[in-house]
Amino acid sequence: GENVEQHPSTLSVQEGDSAVIKCTYSDSASNYFPWYKQELGKRPQLIIDIRSNVGEKKDQRIAVTLNKTAKHFSLHITETQPEDSAVYFCAAPVSNFGNEKLTFGTGTRLTIIP
Amino acid sequence: ETGVTQSPTHLIKTRGQQVTLRCSSQSGHNTVSWYQQALGQGPQFIFQYYREEENGRGNFPPRFSGLQFPNYSSELNVNALELDDSALYLCASSILDSTGELFFGEGSRLTVL
Repeated sequence: GENVEQHPSTLSVQEGDSAVIKCTYSDSASNYFPWYKQELGKRPQLIIDIRSNVGEKKDQRIAVTLNKTAKHFSLHITETQPEDSAVYFCAAPVSNFGNEKLTFGTGTRLTIIP
Repeated sequence: ETGVTQSPTHLIKTRGQQVTLRCSSQSGHNTVSWYQQALGQGPQFIFQYYREEENGRGNFPPRFSGLQFPNYSSELNVNALELDDSALYLCASSILDSTGELFFGEGSRLTVL
């Protein structure tokens, strides 16, 4: 089955600076890589995802990059704001049968310092 | 608002007891997945239901079982509760083989004493 490792476990950045969170996966057949944001006491919510046919995807201040050869993908947040403070999870499919069965990383607690 | 609702929000049980957690899917979704989130960890896939049948299972023992009803709502049942079952149980609805996006509920926090 898929194994996803996520680093760092905690990250503090000054407001306005950039944050980068990295994940590696083990199954070379995986083709879908979402990122979920979970605010304290709230449900996880999808913020961006990438499929294996592209190397980068952007949505305003958020971007995700994928390196299939090295089997790693990263989340980039630019111009960070206080509302970016949350726990971020990367994920990959448990198997190559359906993208709704996910293996999640252990999470990165991002704190934006005003 | 995602439309996925779960009940109860919190509950306390003792070792050996049984628990049933409930989930109502978002309108238009045909698939329900259940995840266990231990404190400080990422969600772990328990199983998925589609067309009222189990459609994939993670590394959880048989005492974790589920149901999906014709209206796509779902139940998670856990028998013979253990202390390690204490966690937040998240239900997520989706449309099978579409975008892959999971719409999570707020979760049911189970404490086993």
